[in-house]
Amino acid sequence: SQQGEEDPQALSIQEGENATMNCSYKTSINNLQWYRQNSGRGLVHLILIRSNEREKHSGRLRVTLDTSKKSSSLLITASRAADTASYFCATDAIRGANSKLTFGKGITLSVRP
Amino acid sequence: ETGVTQTPRHLVMGMTNKKSLKCEQHLGHNAMYWYKQSAKKPLELMFVYNFKEQTENNSVPSRFSPECPNSSHLFLHLHTLQPEDSALYLCASSQVEDALRRLGNTIYFGEGSWLTVV
Repeated sequence: SQQGEEDPQALSIQEGENATMNCSYKTSINNLQWYRQNSGRGLVHLILIRSNEREKHSGRLRVTLDTSKKSSSLLITASRAADTASYFCATDAIRGANSKLTFGKGITLSVRP
Repeated sequence: ETGVTQTPRHLVMGMTNKKSLKCEQHLGHNAMYWYKQSAKKPLELMFVYNFKEQTENNSVPSRFSPECPNSSHLFLHLHTLQPEDSALYLCASSQVEDALRRLGNTIYFGEGSWLTVV
């Protein structure tokens, strides 16, 4: 069953605005990761937040994790046209030796110049 | 640009053809993955190889056959595919170690191979 579900499915904002994307999941996780995918390209890892962390920053990115609500948010501040891409959350429920990342359907972000 | 290289980037094949997708990782990782990405669907994990041994096969039809000759190379052999198999196939790698299990593994993806079955 699908683990991470992103919300909204699509988001269109003006350059300079902040973009907030949400992810909900169903079962216990070891960590949650956000990835970005430009059209027709591979996914690129953005940030990882562990289950014992509540907030993490990386440049213009801010990720929060609420394990009691089983949800995470990705905030991109001062968005740029180059931020236009699809964003995926992936939950990591490590079983055995493997990382078992389960991805959602993704959020399509459009940043208008 | 990326430590994971996939070839070909685009492939068009007939339903009776046999073709292969190739993946090579230059990151020194010990685990490699095949994912399928179709429109409007979540990314689907197909196969996992850990230390060259297949550790996961997510009920993938036998017309997809993976091969991992060493920890740096991964193939996906394709035979008698269906039009619904048309998708972006993504290869990925990660380093799986006990020390990382607590920290979490980051997966590094290739650029993908666009497959169209006609």
